[in-house]
Amino acid sequence: AQSVTQPDIHITVSEGASLELRCNYSYGATPYLFWYVQSPGQGLQLLLKYFSGDTLVQGIKGFEAEFKRSQSSFNLRKPSVHWSDAAEYFCAFAYSSASKIIFGSGTRLSIRP
Amino acid sequence: GAVVSQHPSWVICKSGTSVKIECRSLDFQATTMFWYRQFPKQSLMLMATSNEGSKATYEQGVEKDKFLINHASLTLSTLTVTSAHPEDSSFYICSASFSGEVHNEQFFGPGTRLTVL
Repeated sequence: AQSVTQPDIHITVSEGASLELRCNYSYGATPYLFWYVQSPGQGLQLLLKYFSGDTLVQGIKGFEAEFKRSQSSFNLRKPSVHWSDAAEYFCAFAYSSASKIIFGSGTRLSIRP
Repeated sequence: GAVVSQHPSWVICKSGTSVKIECRSLDFQATTMFWYRQFPKQSLMLMATSNEGSKATYEQGVEKDKFLINHASLTLSTLTVTSAHPEDSSFYICSASFSGEVHNEQFFGPGTRLTVL
């Protein structure tokens, strides 16, 4: 079945260090891919999305993600994390622009001072 | 822009009672609203999709008689958990999208935590 997988349940990174959160999808065609962040007491916020075109996508808050068809991946990266980046991150997938969004299991990011 | 609110943010109720959760799009007209359920440390699971003025479309395994969804206007959708039981305790999140949003972006509310005693 088509799906999205986040292999890391919890990641801890030192403040100022680089970050990469993994996301793999399973789908025969090019999917619609998203990264969302969920902070306590706040709604999910869209960081970035990919539909087509340039495989390196820039998002908000200094995040970027790269779509790699050969690896079926859409990993999220940030060159230098801040303590405020501590949150739950969800990779998400859709078949098309009109289909429902399917969320991965999430990766909890902790920041070490 | 594109702000979605939910009310209440948390609610505690007794088993057997019904609880209504509101989802409002504050600065846009939401042609489609979605209701998700999130268990602790788990992902969001889509419960149903509702279009203004139409009956909601429920995902497989979601009891439509238990989770009543109404989308009476372009800015308001409600989820009523009828005869709630402890196993219905969860975090309920709504999202909204608007026509013309061709890239499937949904705007999420902050969620409502339901605890059934």
